[in-house]
This record gives sequence, C-alpha cells and structure tokens, in this order.
Amino acid sequence: NAGVTQTPKFQVLKTGQSMTLQCAQDMNHNSMYWYRQDPGMGLRLIYYSASEGTTDKGEVPNGYNVSRLNKREFSLRLESAAPSQTSVYFCASSEGYRGGNNQPQHFGDGTRLSIL
Amino acid sequence: QQPVQSPQAVILREGEDAVINCSSSKALYSVHWYRQKHGEAPVFLMILLKGGEQKGHEKISASFNEKKQQSSLYLTASQLSYSGTYFCGTLISSGSARQLTFGSGTQLTVLP
Repeated sequence: NAGVTQTPKFQVLKTGQSMTLQCAQDMNHNSMYWYRQDPGMGLRLIYYSASEGTTDKGEVPNGYNVSRLNKREFSLRLESAAPSQTSVYFCASSEGYRGGNNQPQHFGDGTRLSIL
Repeated sequence: QQPVQSPQAVILREGEDAVINCSSSKALYSVHWYRQKHGEAPVFLMILLKGGEQKGHEKISASFNEKKQQSSLYLTASQLSYSGTYFCGTLISSGSARQLTFGSGTQLTVLP
C-alpha cells in the first residue's frame, strides 16, 4: 500500500523554467493538498482540493497552479520558476472535507526543488 | 494566523519527560499534532477536539485547553525514536473553508 506518492523526489531548475510536480494517492481520499516547507517556517498551504473537480487557494498560492486530474491525482505547476520557490514540497491527502476538515492528513515523501 | 509553538527546541536524555505547547490567538475548533523526522514526511500523531479531550499515542499524550486556545503535547519517558520536529496544526472555529495552519515546529532531540 503506497499511500501518497510524489514525483520527482529531487529537481534542479533554472530561473524561468517551468515544471509540474506530480502527486497520486491510493487511499480513495477526497481531499488533497500541496504544502511547501522552508527552514523555520513550518508547512504552508499552497493549494488544496476539497473534492474531485474543485481547487482553492491556500496561504501562499502566488506563482503556482494546480490541477485535480481525477480523484487520485493532484499536480502542482510552476510556470516560471523563481529562486524564492526553492523549497521542499509536500503533497498530502485526507478522507474528506465534511465536518470541518478534521481528519488526519497523510503526507508523501516530498520533492526537494532547487531553483538557480 | 500561524499558531505559536514553544519551546523552539529541546534536548533530553532518554527517559526524561518533555512538554511542547501550541497557542493560538483565534478560537480553535481542533488541534492536530504531527512528527517529522529529518528528511522524511510528517506523520500524524493525534487530533484534539475542543472540550479539553485528552488523547494518547504510545507514551505521547496531549490536551486541549479551549479557554486558553492552547494545546500541550506530553512526551513521557522519552525514547530515542521520539527525536524529530513536532508540528501542531490548528483549525479555527469561524468560517466554512477551514484549513490547517501549522506552527513553525519544535525540534526534539533525545540523547542516550
């Protein structure tokens, strides 16, 4: 049982390049999330998808776009990468949004992204 | 509003106890606790709902003081495996689009 799978695990980009981070979960979860983690900052929510077909901005959405491709997959795209987007990106999923989003979140292993 | 965690870091000897606090300026609906080991993904520990409910996970327990908008994580007789960074995530009471807001973490190091 893989849980939440993220690809790639590592990536180095040049300023201005674009790329898509992939995330897939096999737990039949309705809700999915993208976070970034910077030293001393904890986890900050970029975008989330409460259910298939919906996406919403989180705390730090600027410079990113997302696509909820189907129930399993949620991708994060950087259209024109900037050095400030150097970070570790985590995808997470949870069972559902009803009840105030009070279910455990299951995280992938992360993508370590460096932008030169 | 990001919750405030304290202390930022703590170093223990195996078998000692520790308390990690998480405070919010907003009325809280629930508090979630996660542990992250270096280079790994955060792992869910427990959820505390308003009402002062206390939960446990191995020798780790937590409480939620609704009046103070604060949660405390108690690590009893710490083991080497408890080392890592502990994050609290808070859900505020108001608004329908509630999402977790995480604190900046408490780095716990357990020495032999």
